[in-house]
Amino acid sequence: KQEVTQIPAALSVPEGENLVLNCSFTDSAIYNLQWFRQDPGKGLTSLLLIQSSQREQTSGRLNASLDKSSGRSTLYIAASQPGDSATYLCAAGVINTGTASKLTFGTGTRLQVTL
Amino acid sequence: GAGVSQSPRYKVAKRGQDVALRCDPISGHVSLFWYQQALGQGPEFLTYFQNEAQLDKSGLPSDRFFAERPEGSVSTLKIQRTQQEDSAVYLCASSSGLAGRTDTQYFGPGTRLTVL
Repeated sequence: KQEVTQIPAALSVPEGENLVLNCSFTDSAIYNLQWFRQDPGKGLTSLLLIQSSQREQTSGRLNASLDKSSGRSTLYIAASQPGDSATYLCAAGVINTGTASKLTFGTGTRLQVTL
Repeated sequence: GAGVSQSPRYKVAKRGQDVALRCDPISGHVSLFWYQQALGQGPEFLTYFQNEAQLDKSGLPSDRFFAERPEGSVSTLKIQRTQQEDSAVYLCASSSGLAGRTDTQYFGPGTRLTVL
């Protein structure tokens, strides 16, 4: 059974700092790795999706990497802003019947960016 | 619609009551997922539909949980005889099906269920 772990559970950084969030998974047989953002009381917003054949994806100040062999993914946030404060979840797309993968989530990293 | 919508956003039920939670996926999306998120935890998979077919219901915690998607669009998650441990946020997600297993899943805002 796939298990996903995120470290650290919480992180507080001053505005402008670069930071890295870590995600590890136990089964390397994944189809994709997706990073989400969740604001309090809200649903999940997809940030980046890395296909299993890819090594990284970038969107603006965000860069996500994937190393299937070691079971790790990282989300790099450059020049953090107070608006980046949220919980960040990673999810591994695992085998499923049909044509879509189902997601196994970590418990998230709660990020606070202070002024 | 522009995104995945869910209703109601909040539901309070007395223990033993039946509840029905609705999900409207993005128009044309083939795949639909239900997840359950307990407080302080990541979402956990409940069930998956491809069009109207329920292909995976391995995550449903008990036979009190039932999901349907009769016309391949709107889906309903029903919980019978609710228990306090059913209190959670229920999230619905959809994906287009165009990229197969590498599809991005788009999530709705969730329904927060509180069972008293």
